[in-house]
Amino acid sequence: DTGVSQDPRHKITKRGQNVTFRCDPISEHNRLYWYRQTLGQGPEFLTYFQNEAQLEKSRLLSDRFSAERPKGSFSTLEIQRTEQGDSAMYLCASRGLAGNSGANVLTFGAGSRLTVL
Amino acid sequence: AQKITQTQPGMFVQEKEAVTLDCTYDTSDPSYGLFWYKQPSSGEMIFLIYQGSYDQQNATEGRYSLNFQKARKSANLVISASQLGDSAMYFCAMREGRQAGTALIFGKGTTLSVSS
Repeated sequence: DTGVSQDPRHKITKRGQNVTFRCDPISEHNRLYWYRQTLGQGPEFLTYFQNEAQLEKSRLLSDRFSAERPKGSFSTLEIQRTEQGDSAMYLCASRGLAGNSGANVLTFGAGSRLTVL
Repeated sequence: AQKITQTQPGMFVQEKEAVTLDCTYDTSDPSYGLFWYKQPSSGEMIFLIYQGSYDQQNATEGRYSLNFQKARKSANLVISASQLGDSAMYFCAMREGRQAGTALIFGKGTTLSVSS
């Protein structure tokens, strides 16, 4: 169990550019979540996958944001035409099936910090 | 309305002392779960403790305990015998309902500083 991995850890980009973040969840976890955290705030829910199906999207997820989990394993979060307000930490978390030990717990990655200049 | 409220932006405690971090929640769902996470400066969210709404006893995990007062809708985290490594942001979170995939809702956090 290597935990939840996120890449890149830091990304600096210019306004208007596209960026993509990758999340590799714990291998046996079928549920994957994306959160956004701005400075001094708690994480805010963006979207949730069960296997490859995207089951829930927050209204925070504007049409410039798209997330995929094509094979039910890793996930990508793409932000198109970035704006300065997109600067934040993007956190990925995963969770296993009910009945497994720790099933109620989200395990988070270390996050991908985005700075939009 | 805020679902999770953490009213203490910052708390200071000396090593070996106990500290209580406050959390109140708002839900009309009878089934919910309450969580505490720690976020050190490295950024990773670390799970500390969980309390289910139907649990009869307060949860404990080592030096962490959760003071669950259902009628008051509060779920305060108590850290006993504070250590320098406890300095971090602490977030209270809630999952409402029984659906397995429901996302966590987080509070704004409390910064804990432990001094020697």
